[in-house]
Amino acid sequence: QQPVQSPQAVILREGEDAVINCSSSKALYSVHWYRQKHGEAPVFLMILLKGGEQKGHEKISASFNEKKQQSSLYLTASQLSYSGTYFCGTEYRGSGNTGKLIFGQGTTLQVKP
Amino acid sequence: DGGITQSPKYLFRKEGQNVTLSCEQNLNHDAMYWYRQDPGQGLRLIYYSQIVNDFQKGDIAEGYSVSREKKESFPLTVTSAQKNPTAFYLCASRTGGGGSPRYGYTFGSGTRLTVV
Repeated sequence: QQPVQSPQAVILREGEDAVINCSSSKALYSVHWYRQKHGEAPVFLMILLKGGEQKGHEKISASFNEKKQQSSLYLTASQLSYSGTYFCGTEYRGSGNTGKLIFGQGTTLQVKP
Repeated sequence: DGGITQSPKYLFRKEGQNVTLSCEQNLNHDAMYWYRQDPGQGLRLIYYSQIVNDFQKGDIAEGYSVSREKKESFPLTVTSAQKNPTAFYLCASRTGGGGSPRYGYTFGSGTRLTVV
């Protein structure tokens, strides 16, 4: 049931771009994206609800392909502050409107100067 | 400022002891959630509650118990039945419960529990 994130880890130089993918085997109602710094709580980045929906937050944006049951997070012109672990959280169709999220295993992003 | 307060930040438990982790929010959120995070892994759902006096088991509820007597509070008890309780525990809340999927979670700063 847990969504699968790829890649597991990525190392970038400042200014480079990255894409993180989140795939589900079950039909999705929504996809959330969070960033967690080491030892801290995850911070909400954005939520995607509709198929094909794209949202942006600073230089971070995401898309949601409802047909393929996957979402991608795009980080452009990365900054040192983007370092951390990124999680997707999925809400499945038919989960009874509980609002509960099932999280992927995380993607660790390290941005170097 | 509104937010979620988890306490204590660090907790040490002896074998066979029950311990209770506190989670308090002043965001007026209806839904609250408890997750467990192990090193290098994602978050796994322990329990969740959409309204006062009601809660449901998540994927890894065995060895844990909760209560929701007030909207603001959702304490988690780690019982002696939980065989491997060492982990980082995160409490989260969201407005509107399941009826408002447009909003993300707000997380507390977490409690790191260690068995000694």
